[in-house]
Amino acid sequence: EPEVTQTPSHQVTQMGQEVILRCVPISNHLYFYWYRQILGQKVEFLVSFYNNEISEKSEIFDDQFSVERPDGSNFTLKIRSTKLEDSAMYFCASSAWTGENNEQYFGPGTRLTVT
Amino acid sequence: QKEVEQNSGPLSVPEGAIASLNCTYSDRGSQSFFWYRQYSGKSPELIMFIYSNGDKEDGRFTAQLNKASQYVSLLIRDSQPSDSATYLCAVNPIAAGNKLTFGGGTRVLVKP
Repeated sequence: EPEVTQTPSHQVTQMGQEVILRCVPISNHLYFYWYRQILGQKVEFLVSFYNNEISEKSEIFDDQFSVERPDGSNFTLKIRSTKLEDSAMYFCASSAWTGENNEQYFGPGTRLTVT
Repeated sequence: QKEVEQNSGPLSVPEGAIASLNCTYSDRGSQSFFWYRQYSGKSPELIMFIYSNGDKEDGRFTAQLNKASQYVSLLIRDSQPSDSATYLCAVNPIAAGNKLTFGGGTRVLVKP
């Protein structure tokens, strides 16, 4: 069964460093997302991406964040200058359609630890 | 602020019994509703989705949607110890593109 994959599974970085989290969405899906979950808190939407551009972003997704689809399979989230409060699980998700048929499938996540 | 509310639990259920989970949402225009299961330290796993009022059954799971009362529920029949997890309710508000708004989750413990 097709699944979303993410690398790395765990990333440790120092405050102020740049990190890139990578995702390979399900191959026939057209919509891609990043969510994050701080330990013990709700899953929060960061950004959605369709047709090579951001379709929606949350207040969390400020100028320090960017997303890119550098090729036909990868989808990346870059944090330019990490802060302690960026420590969280980051989940990539994808869906085939929009609107009512918007089932989103999540990858296993990247645990980001900022020290 | 569009909210999705769930009882945090834990909901303790004997093995073989029915677990009943509830979720309320504030955006009356919400269109799509999802239940995810999340084991500790793992990612959300989609187990049910429902778009129309009424019941939808899939194996041991039944999702129920009542848009007039703005709630969605999940029933787990014949609960197994492997069902012990946190169940997340997620809603796609009408004006929010494909964004999902998640509740805080209900922790379910199935005791043998």
